[in-house]
Amino acid sequence: EPEVTQTPSHQVTQMGQEVILRCVPISNHLYFYWYRQILGQKVEFLVSFYNNEISEKSEIFDDQFSVERPDGSNFTLKIRSTKLEDSAMYFCASSPNKRGLSSYNEQFFGPGTRLTVL
Amino acid sequence: KNQVEQSPQSLIILEGKNCTLQCNYTVSPFSNLRWYKQDTGRGPVSLTIMTFSENTKSNGRYTATLDADTKQSSLHITASQLSDSASYICVVSASGGSYIPTFGRGTSLIVHP
Repeated sequence: EPEVTQTPSHQVTQMGQEVILRCVPISNHLYFYWYRQILGQKVEFLVSFYNNEISEKSEIFDDQFSVERPDGSNFTLKIRSTKLEDSAMYFCASSPNKRGLSSYNEQFFGPGTRLTVL
Repeated sequence: KNQVEQSPQSLIILEGKNCTLQCNYTVSPFSNLRWYKQDTGRGPVSLTIMTFSENTKSNGRYTATLDADTKQSSLHITASQLSDSASYICVVSASGGSYIPTFGRGTSLIVHP
């Protein structure tokens, strides 16, 4: 059964460093998302991406964050200068049709990347 | 401000028993409501998705209900199994401009043998 994959599973970085989290969405899916979950807190939406551009983004997704689909398979989240408060589990998700978050469109989540900023 | 509140925060039941989890939301205008199961250290897995016109949706032993008038939803788990031990998350998306989903904190369910 196809699934969303994410690498690395755990990333440790120093404050101020740039990190790139990688995701391979399910093949033929059209909408891609990034979420984060700080330890012990609820999941928070970061950004949705469709047709090679950002569809929606939350207040969390500031200028420090960027997303890219560099080729036909990968979907990346870059944090330019990490802060301690960026430590969290980051989940990538994809969904099969072009309706995004607006209606019936099941999202398939990856296993997450745990980012630890020291 | 859009909010999703879930109760109880945690629940312990015996294997084979039924349970019901609650979700209240203030998201408006309403687009859809989703229930997810999240195992520890894993990504959420979709259980049900309901839009405004749907009152109930089943997925195996999971049955979700939606009352759009009172802005409440419930997730009923029948004949619980040990593998049902997880966090159950209610997520509500608005419509009309921004569809950014609002997540609840989840209900942590532990099923004991």
